[in-house]
Amino acid sequence: AQSVTQLGSHVSVSEGALVLLRCNYSSSVPPYLFWYVQYPNQGLQLLLKYTTGATLVKGINGFEAEFKKSETSFHLTKPSAHMSDAAEYFCAVRIYYNQGGKLIFGQGTELSVKP
Amino acid sequence: NAGVTQTPKFQVLKTGQSMTLQCAQDMNHNSMYWYRQDPGMGLRLIYYSASEGTTDKGEVPNGYNVSRLNKREFSLRLESAAPSQTSVYFCASGEVTGNENEQFFGPGTRLTVL
Repeated sequence: AQSVTQLGSHVSVSEGALVLLRCNYSSSVPPYLFWYVQYPNQGLQLLLKYTTGATLVKGINGFEAEFKKSETSFHLTKPSAHMSDAAEYFCAVRIYYNQGGKLIFGQGTELSVKP
Repeated sequence: NAGVTQTPKFQVLKTGQSMTLQCAQDMNHNSMYWYRQDPGMGLRLIYYSASEGTTDKGEVPNGYNVSRLNKREFSLRLESAAPSQTSVYFCASGEVTGNENEQFFGPGTRLTVL
C-alpha cells in the first residue's frame, strides 16, 4: 500500500537560510508525488509535482524537489527562506484507483521562519 | 473562475444534530473529494467521486454520507454529529488522466461539535 512519511512536524529556519523538508514514500508502482502548501486559514495550494521525466522538479515561489527512487524520497528545498514561506507543507502520493486518483497525504510539516 | 467553493465557512453543532456541507467547482473536473484535517494527522480522505454518478469510501467514511448531485456539486452530510467530527473539512476537485493529477482545494469549513 502507498504511504507517505514526513520527517519532522515542525521545522524552524532563519530568514535567508536553506529550507529542507523531508518526505519519504512507499509505493509498489511508480509514484506520482506532490507537495502542497497551506497558509493559515486557507486551503491547500499545489507547490510542485513529479509525474514522469526529470527527477528535479521546480515549483512556485522558488521551491524545488528531487525524486530519488533509490532512497524513496521526495524532499522539498528552497535555497533562501523568506518570511512569507511560513506555512504548513504536505507531501502526497497519488493512488490511481477506479478511474479516480486519490491522494495519500503525509502528516504535514509546519515551517517557521525567524527574522 | 471561482475554483472550488464551500459553504458554510464555519459551523457549530450540538451532538446529534445533522448538517450538510456544500461544495461546488466550476473547472469541469470529473473527480471530487472530501477530506478532513486534524492536527498532526494531515488530510484524510472521507469520500470521493471519480465521476458524476459514482461515489466511493475513503479512509475515514464512518459517520458521513455524500451525494454527487451533478458534475459541479458534491455534498457531505453528517446525519448525527459527534464531538469526534470536530475538524476542518476540505473539498477538492481534479482530473486524473495521463499526467493530469492536480487537485484543487476549497477554503475549508471549520466545524465544531459540542
